[in-house]
Amino acid sequence: ELKVEQNPLFLSMQEGKNYTIYCNYSTTSDRLYWYRQDPGKSLESLFVLLSNGAVKQEGRLMASLDTKARLSTLHITAAVHDLSATYFCAVVRYYKYIFGTGTRLKVLA
Amino acid sequence: GAVVSQHPSWVICKSGTSVKIECRSLDFQATTMFWYRQFPKQSLMLMATSNEGSKATYEQGVEKDKFLINHASLTLSTLTVTSAHPEDSSFYICSALGQLSGNTIYFGEGSWLTVV
Repeated sequence: ELKVEQNPLFLSMQEGKNYTIYCNYSTTSDRLYWYRQDPGKSLESLFVLLSNGAVKQEGRLMASLDTKARLSTLHITAAVHDLSATYFCAVVRYYKYIFGTGTRLKVLA
Repeated sequence: GAVVSQHPSWVICKSGTSVKIECRSLDFQATTMFWYRQFPKQSLMLMATSNEGSKATYEQGVEKDKFLINHASLTLSTLTVTSAHPEDSSFYICSALGQLSGNTIYFGEGSWLTVV
């Protein structure tokens, strides 16, 4: 059974600081996604990572994938309040998306 | 990009009644649709996978007689929560996969169900 765990579950940080969210998964997968979810809303796709060593960056967010370690990271650089949201990783296996536990991020002004 | 629309976005119903949620792919044919449930401050849990024209495949622990899923056309899947109870109150999200969407799944906006 494919399990996906995120760490930390909740993160409160000051604006301007850096931090990394971790996503561990238990078996091989086809690809990995990172999503953002604002309260009461559906999912917004941030990144898709397809292969080992893949790194993608958009603004203050950078995602990477290590398939050998079954680990993906989402790095936040110089956080701003607008980044406050819940972030999910999702691992895809045979078209099934298995979501991580989620990381609630709160950026304090 | 591809658009998946859910309706209604918010519904309140009485205990014991049934409620239907629709999921439509607006600009591509969705051969497969997925239904998720999300309780407050929790992750998304896959409930079932539906392929057009065939019976849905339910995940372990999901009651197929309670959560009826129909995928009668390539652009529409419906989730009917039968004999709803307050514990069924949740955020329900569908997603759709089709040939023109490549290997990408597109998520609907979600539907909030409150059972009182």
